[in-house]
Amino acid sequence: EAGVTQFPSHSVIEKGQTVTLRCDPISGHDNLYWYRRVMGKEIKFLLHFVKESKQDESGMPNNRFLAERTGGTYSTLKVQPAELEDSGVYFCASSQEHHNEQFFGPGTRLTVL
Amino acid sequence: QKEVEQDPGPLSVPEGAIVSLNCTYSNSAFQYFMWYRQYSRKGPELLMYTYSSGNKEDGRFTAQVDKSSKYISLFIRDSQPSDSATYLCAMRTGANNLFFGTGTRLTVIP
Repeated sequence: EAGVTQFPSHSVIEKGQTVTLRCDPISGHDNLYWYRRVMGKEIKFLLHFVKESKQDESGMPNNRFLAERTGGTYSTLKVQPAELEDSGVYFCASSQEHHNEQFFGPGTRLTVL
Repeated sequence: QKEVEQDPGPLSVPEGAIVSLNCTYSNSAFQYFMWYRQYSRKGPELLMYTYSSGNKEDGRFTAQVDKSSKYISLFIRDSQPSDSATYLCAMRTGANNLFFGTGTRLTVIP
């Protein structure tokens, strides 16, 4: 069974540019999560989808971040315009409905110059 | 104050040693407690999962939760070089989002 995949693995952009991160969850997992780790800090929750609906987006830092999950399959996280403090590793995780374990992807390392 | 506190280390031990990793937390609503292992450039991988207080053992790994003290531990017996990684504690309430510690980097020296 394929795990959670994320693309790209690494992105380097300049301040003010736009970047879109993609996450493909494990097939059949209705729950999809985005987390972020800023250097030196802990991994922090951003938002949670159940199928295509946003269940909890309390961790989204501001309106420069837009997450979508059209059709309830893969998800994208767009940052527009990117700022220096957005640099970090963005993790995606998925879980089956009512299942406790969240399976994490390898992360996308975003560097904003 | 952070919700979850974890000593970042680094921690170096000789092969075969017993390793003790710990986290404290402030939110008494946390009910589910997890330990993840993360190798360099990889995503976190679930090692142990515990609900409420008590102990759980899986092979060389033992997880302990003391809710009265808001303290959780992970013990690794007979540590191996392949155990070298960053260990993250995580916890949650009844909701699904996880709260992580900063992680402890462990090196097991052959």
